Amino acid sequence: AQSVTQLGSHVSVSEGALVLLRCNYSSSVPPYLFWYVQYPNQGLQLLLKYTSAATLVKGINGFEAEFKKSETSFHLTKPSAHMSDAAEYFCAVSEGFQKLVFGTGTRLLVSP
Amino acid sequence: ETGVTQTPRHLVMGMTNKKSLKCEQHLGHNAMYWYKQSAKKPLELMFVYNFKEQTENNSVPSRFSPECPNSSHLFLHLHTLQPEDSALYLCASSPDRDRGESPLHFGNGTRLTVT
Repeated sequence: AQSVTQLGSHVSVSEGALVLLRCNYSSSVPPYLFWYVQYPNQGLQLLLKYTSAATLVKGINGFEAEFKKSETSFHLTKPSAHMSDAAEYFCAVSEGFQKLVFGTGTRLLVSP
Repeated sequence: ETGVTQTPRHLVMGMTNKKSLKCEQHLGHNAMYWYKQSAKKPLELMFVYNFKEQTENNSVPSRFSPECPNSSHLFLHLHTLQPEDSALYLCASSPDRDRGESPLHFGNGTRLTVT
């Protein structure tokens, strides 16, 4: 069965600094991988997804993620953090039919 | 506008009450989902409907009863809940449960408090 591990329940960065949120997955077949963002009092919104095309995936709001099969990783990055990026971020994996498994989430804190 | 609308946004109910959560999607999707989001826990999949048929019940207690009258509407009927059922309940939809490459579209959730 597939699983997802997000290292660090909280990540703090300064505005303008690099954002790196880590996600490692386990899957018995080539996976579909997703990053979602959740702002306070809202549902989850798709940031980007990997579906076996390009290994470097670009998403909304300047985020991107790179699929590395050898490391079973799908880390999320953004070159320069903005205050509005403060939110909770969820990595998720799917093995074919739609049974997404979510990580426990990483809360991103951005300080001025 | 998320395309998936959940009502009410907030609900406070006693343990003996009966209430219902409503979800409506305007995306033409055929699969709908209920998730439970509790503090410090991963999202828990509760129910899945695909083309109006329930395809998954993730060992959810019978005090939660889903209903899917058509592909656009999903309900979660609640009765005799426990305080530990307090959580954010999220509805989601996707084109088809069997298309794993299609992301889920989430509503903004119903914040449920059981007193």
